[in-house]
Amino acid sequence: GNSVTQMEGPVTLSEEAFLTINCTYTATGYPSLFWYVQYPGEGLQLLLKATKADDKGSNKGFEATYRKETTSFHLEKGSVQVSDSAVYFCALSDAGANSKLTFGKGITLSVRP
Amino acid sequence: DGGITQSPKYLFRKEGQNVTLSCEQNLNHDAMYWYRQDPGQGLRLIYYSQIVNDFQKGDIAEGYSVSREKKESFPLTVTSAQKNPTAFYLCASRATGGPDTQYFGPGTRLTVL
Repeated sequence: GNSVTQMEGPVTLSEEAFLTINCTYTATGYPSLFWYVQYPGEGLQLLLKATKADDKGSNKGFEATYRKETTSFHLEKGSVQVSDSAVYFCALSDAGANSKLTFGKGITLSVRP
Repeated sequence: DGGITQSPKYLFRKEGQNVTLSCEQNLNHDAMYWYRQDPGQGLRLIYYSQIVNDFQKGDIAEGYSVSREKKESFPLTVTSAQKNPTAFYLCASRATGGPDTQYFGPGTRLTVL
């Protein structure tokens, strides 16, 4: 079955530091890949997505590239801000009509001033 | 404003009682989903519905029930058969026939005393 593996957390960075959050996946077919962000006490918000190999998703300074050869979708940001503190989830959507999402466990990012 | 609403935000129930969580969307989406979130874990799929009057079990359906009588509404009942119901519950919806992105509501935190 499908699975998503995220690096262990939590992660604590200073403001303006470079961020990388690793995500690898196992799936049949050609899934779409997503990063969602969850702020404390809230639901999930879509951060970015990529639907095919070599696509790059980007939003709010965050980027991730769909790498089929390494089955990865690592999230990066060049300079984090305190407001980026949240939980980040990597997910994939199966290629079938149901488009069910499979999530990684999430990683908590804390950015200190 | 289009979106997904979940109510209430916090819910407390005594052990052995059934409780129903509300999820409403005005996005005109056909597909709706219920997920459960526990600390340190990703989201797990409880039930999903692709169309009115039809729904399927997800990965952890035992102890839960749903209905889909209207396109806009997908209530989730947590029954007394659910052994560990205290969790954060998230509802999502998706437009079928187009991008496979799921959009999430703000969540309901259920605590069973």
